[in-house]
Amino acid sequence: QSVLTQPPSVSGAPGQRVTISCTGSSSNIGAGYDVHWYQQLPGTAPKLLIYGNSNRPSGVPDRFSGSKSGTSASLAITGLQAEDEADYYCQSYDSSLSGSNWVFGGGTKLTVL
Amino acid sequence: QVQLVQSGAEVKKPGASVKVSCKASGYTFTSYAMHWVRQAPGQRLEWMGWINAGNGNTKYSQKFQGRVTITRDTSASTAYMELSSLRSEDTAVYYCARAPYIVVGGYMDVWGKGTTVTVSS
Repeated sequence: QSVLTQPPSVSGAPGQRVTISCTGSSSNIGAGYDVHWYQQLPGTAPKLLIYGNSNRPSGVPDRFSGSKSGTSASLAITGLQAEDEADYYCQSYDSSLSGSNWVFGGGTKLTVL
Repeated sequence: QVQLVQSGAEVKKPGASVKVSCKASGYTFTSYAMHWVRQAPGQRLEWMGWINAGNGNTKYSQKFQGRVTITRDTSASTAYMELSSLRSEDTAVYYCARAPYIVVGGYMDVWGKGTTVTVSS
């Protein structure tokens, strides 16, 4: 069971907009820790997509955007393309009585219909 | 360009140890930290620990505390992750990933291609 909860799957047609949620708690996102997003294409290593809640690294299209509010964060993808089909993971930091760790969401598989 | 090159696939028996290497190039190794993250087949990413490549300080996930050791060789710009007392559940792809800022909760901007470790009798 992940500390950060993501929907297992989302889908959309080419050109559409989809969002992926990442729900945490007061010990991670709600404590003020940043949320970062990674894209993992089949059979490859994760790639940084969004850092610091809403910042895009150089080379990432502006079709990808991130936001954070309260104990949750979201990744939005507009103008869906076939090459966006991948797994997406959110990541933050969790600090509780049981310890402190970098944590990932369970991942969301995006299917482009 | 910044690159992390990991060692090759390993097959180990239960109870054995494995040591995976991650050679960095294209940047000043000691100015960054390095995370180790694993992914079991069909599963989510799981953080194992990290090392400040400058001073060698480490932090490990409580889940792996006592079984994992992360070290670095600054002369070789290489980080290492050793996992002991292997069991079948440790079968996974192990990634190293650079931390551009040595801060709690930071992100991982460059990833190695991964090293497959298979634990089987």
